Amino acid sequence: AQKVTQAQTEISVVEKEDVTLDCVYETRDTTYYLFWYKQPPSGELVFLIRRNSFDEQNEISGRYSWNFQKSTSSFNFTITASQVVDSAVYFCALSGTGTGANNLFFGTGTRLTVIP
Amino acid sequence: EAGVAQSPRYKIIEKRQSVAFWCNPISGHATLYWYQQILGQGPKLLIQFQNNGVVDDSQLPKDRFSAERLKGVDSTLKIQPAKLEDSAVYLCASSSYSGFNYGYTFGSGTRLTVV
Repeated sequence: AQKVTQAQTEISVVEKEDVTLDCVYETRDTTYYLFWYKQPPSGELVFLIRRNSFDEQNEISGRYSWNFQKSTSSFNFTITASQVVDSAVYFCALSGTGTGANNLFFGTGTRLTVIP
Repeated sequence: EAGVAQSPRYKIIEKRQSVAFWCNPISGHATLYWYQQILGQGPKLLIQFQNNGVVDDSQLPKDRFSAERLKGVDSTLKIQPAKLEDSAVYLCASSSYSGFNYGYTFGSGTRLTVV
C-alpha cells in the first residue's frame, strides 16, 4: 500500500527565512514517482516537481530545492528566502506502478505561513 | 493551453438532495481523474477514466456517487442523495498519458457544502 506522511501540520516563518517541509513515504513498488504540489487559497493544486525512484539527484529551481533520499524514504522540500507569496498548503504525493498506478496518494499537507 | 475547467465553483445543498459537477480536461488529455478533498486532508482519488472507460473506481461510494465520461472528453460527477460527510472540494485532474506518470493538471475544484 502507498502512504505519504507529512508530520508538520503547520509552519510559520518570517519572510526571508529558509524553511524545509518534510515528506516520508511508504511503498512496495520498485518504480514510483514522487510529487510536490502547492495549494494556494484559491484552491487549485499547482504542480511543483515530479521525481522518479531511480533519480536521486537533488534538484534546485530558483528558491526551491528538493532532497530525495531513498535510504530514509524521504523527499523533503526547502524554500530559501521565503516570501509572503509562498504562503499556501503544500502536499507531497506518491504514485506507484503496481495496482492503482497513476493514482496519486497525497499526504495531509503542511500549511506554510510566511509572516512579512 | 487552457487549463482544466470545472463548474460550478461553489454549491450548497441540503442533505438528501442531488448535485452534479462538471469537468472539461485539457484538450487531448486521455486520462481524467476525480478527487475528493475533505477539509484538512489531502485529496483522495474517487475515479479514474482512460478515454471513456473506467480504470479505477475502487474508492467511489457507488451507492450514492456516479460518474461518466461518455465521449472521452468532459466528465460529470453526481452525488445522489448527498450526506453531510460529502462536504468537500471535488477536484478534477487530467494527464496526457496514464502509463508513465506525466504531470497531472488540476482544476480549481468545486466546493460542496451539504447542510
